[in-house]
Amino acid sequence: GESVGLHLPTLSVQEGDNSIINCAYSNSASDYFIWYKQESGKGPQFIIDIRSNMDKRQGQRVTVLLNKTVKHLSLQIAATQPGDSAVYFCAENVSGGSYIPTFGRGTSLIVHP
Amino acid sequence: DAGVTQSPTHLIKTRGQQVTLRCSPKSGHDTVSWYQQALGQGPQFIFQYYEEEERQRGNFPDRFSGHQFPNYSSELNVNALLLGDSALYLCASSFQDRDYGYTFGSGTRLTVV
Repeated sequence: GESVGLHLPTLSVQEGDNSIINCAYSNSASDYFIWYKQESGKGPQFIIDIRSNMDKRQGQRVTVLLNKTVKHLSLQIAATQPGDSAVYFCAENVSGGSYIPTFGRGTSLIVHP
Repeated sequence: DAGVTQSPTHLIKTRGQQVTLRCSPKSGHDTVSWYQQALGQGPQFIFQYYEEEERQRGNFPDRFSGHQFPNYSSELNVNALLLGDSALYLCASSFQDRDYGYTFGSGTRLTVV
């Protein structure tokens, strides 16, 4: 089965709210985690990443949290905008070899104006 | 600077036919990876090409084959098409096999009827 999965397939929020998308992984050897955004008709686009020696990383309006104890990571989007509507995937990778991210199923984020 | 370009954007084939999809990597990239994304699922790794050789392969049958040319562009070939091969086929490029700058194209939507 897949080693990366998501708890919620769809998340609906109001514009301006903060969004939290969760992800569970099962491969203990994974040490690099990435969030991708995929808009309709496009390929996945890199949002933010985090390595296993960190538990939090911030970008512009986005924050990724990593909890290695329970093999869980989350993506927080502040002040969600209609342009944030997309499918979000977490992916994992084991460093040391070729970069080949393993994707989970994804969460659809719908932002209502 | 053009990103990853894929052609065609859409394609309809009949069961049993063969199909060839094409990918031109981002300028400066020399590694190409192919993914299959079924509707509502995350991308699944098919294989990776570097220095005109298949370096890594996912869990896909031999009906899926590829090629990389000296200019780093790549082709994905699928023989004896099945209805279940209907999916979005994504190409991603990078410099060598590194994670930095890993970029996806917009994909080819293949429908098998």
